[in-house]
Amino acid sequence: AQTVTQSQPEMSVQEAETVTLSCTYDTSESDYYLFWYKQPPSRQMILVIRQEAYKQQNATENRFSVNFQKAAKSFSLKISDSQLGDAAMYFCAYIGGNEKLTFGTGTRLTIIP
Amino acid sequence: NAGVTQTPKFRILKIGQSMTLQCTQDMNHNYMYWYRQDPGMGLKLIYYSVGAGITDKGEVPNGYNVSRSTTEDFPLRLELAAPSQTSVYFCASSYSIRYNEQFFGPGTRLTVL
Repeated sequence: AQTVTQSQPEMSVQEAETVTLSCTYDTSESDYYLFWYKQPPSRQMILVIRQEAYKQQNATENRFSVNFQKAAKSFSLKISDSQLGDAAMYFCAYIGGNEKLTFGTGTRLTIIP
Repeated sequence: NAGVTQTPKFRILKIGQSMTLQCTQDMNHNYMYWYRQDPGMGLKLIYYSVGAGITDKGEVPNGYNVSRSTTEDFPLRLELAAPSQTSVYFCASSYSIRYNEQFFGPGTRLTVL
């Protein structure tokens, strides 16, 4: 079974600085998708960014980008120019051939004004 | 579009009681999902559906039942509530089962005493 590991339960960053959240996963598949979801205090889960495993180019969405290292099974999220509204729980997730989304345990990100 | 709606937002049950968590989506998505989120954990898949009349078990289906009679609705039934079912429950839907993002409802916080 696939597993997703987020080794940083909590992170903090100064407003306007850059922070990187780590995620590793375990799989024997070659075709899969990876996601970062954000969960603010409202509890609403919101997709931040998505990466297709067969694409070598790292995905970017405005201030959010990923560092996808397929051989190392690593999928980190970089947030540039951190804003107060970025404060949330961030979940890394994987979906492969079994078509079931597997989540990590999350990283709580605090933005320091 | 309202997206994915869930009712109720909060509920307290006594051990052994039953209830149904309602989920409705207005995006005409074929795929719908139920997750539970325990404190400090990521989301775990309870059941999912690939279309009206078709449902399948996820990672943690014991103690729950689902049905899918229409594209829009995907209710989750708890038959004999137990304290271990105290959790936050999320319903989600998606256009396809892998690539497309899952849209989440706001969640139902359930406490079983």
